[in-house]
Amino acid sequence: SQQGEEDPQALSIQEGENATMNCSYKTSINNLQWYRQNSGRGLVHLILIRSNEREKHSGRLRVTLDTSKKSSSLLITASRAADTASYFCATAGRTADGLTFGKGTHLIIQP
Amino acid sequence: DGGITQSPKYLFRKEGQNVTLSCEQNLNHDAMYWYRQDPGQGLRLIYYSQIVNDFQKGDIAEGYSVSREKKESFPLTVTSAQKNPTAFYLCASSITVSNYGYTFGSGTRLTVV
Repeated sequence: SQQGEEDPQALSIQEGENATMNCSYKTSINNLQWYRQNSGRGLVHLILIRSNEREKHSGRLRVTLDTSKKSSSLLITASRAADTASYFCATAGRTADGLTFGKGTHLIIQP
Repeated sequence: DGGITQSPKYLFRKEGQNVTLSCEQNLNHDAMYWYRQDPGQGLRLIYYSQIVNDFQKGDIAEGYSVSREKKESFPLTVTSAQKNPTAFYLCASSITVSNYGYTFGSGTRLTVV
């Protein structure tokens, strides 16, 4: 099955700075999604971008998708301490066989 | 409030025992999923179901079983055949299988003692 791989594995920045995380995948997709997970909790859906879209915004989040490079990026602007969490990309393939998740980026926002 | 509920939050299993993890949703979602998460790792798909009385194996189905007798419920049984069951188990649901975001439960942490 296809798999998203996030980069970097861990990221530590100062509050107020922007955080950028990247995701690469291997095969054609129907859509790509980003999720947040606080320690020991379930995942929260952040944003979905379809394969025919190139950029999408939601509040302080900006997601880009480059299907030619099979990559996506998640930008969080003006970071806050509450943004500290793990962020996962997940891909939905052309066949209806569930999302495939990467290993995540652990983001730490320093006050 | 609509949501997805997993129980119990913590579960301890002795070697050789089967245990069942509960997952209930009141979102009227057709599709439900079970994922396993190991420390520092991503999620791996165990089983998924698109409609009642139908389910499909995911990437790591060996040692697990599920049922989907009601739209709201998708219990996961971890059998004694699962050699390394200690993990964090997450249940999720969605409107359709691939075109919408998932709603996740808060997870069940299973430990073998």
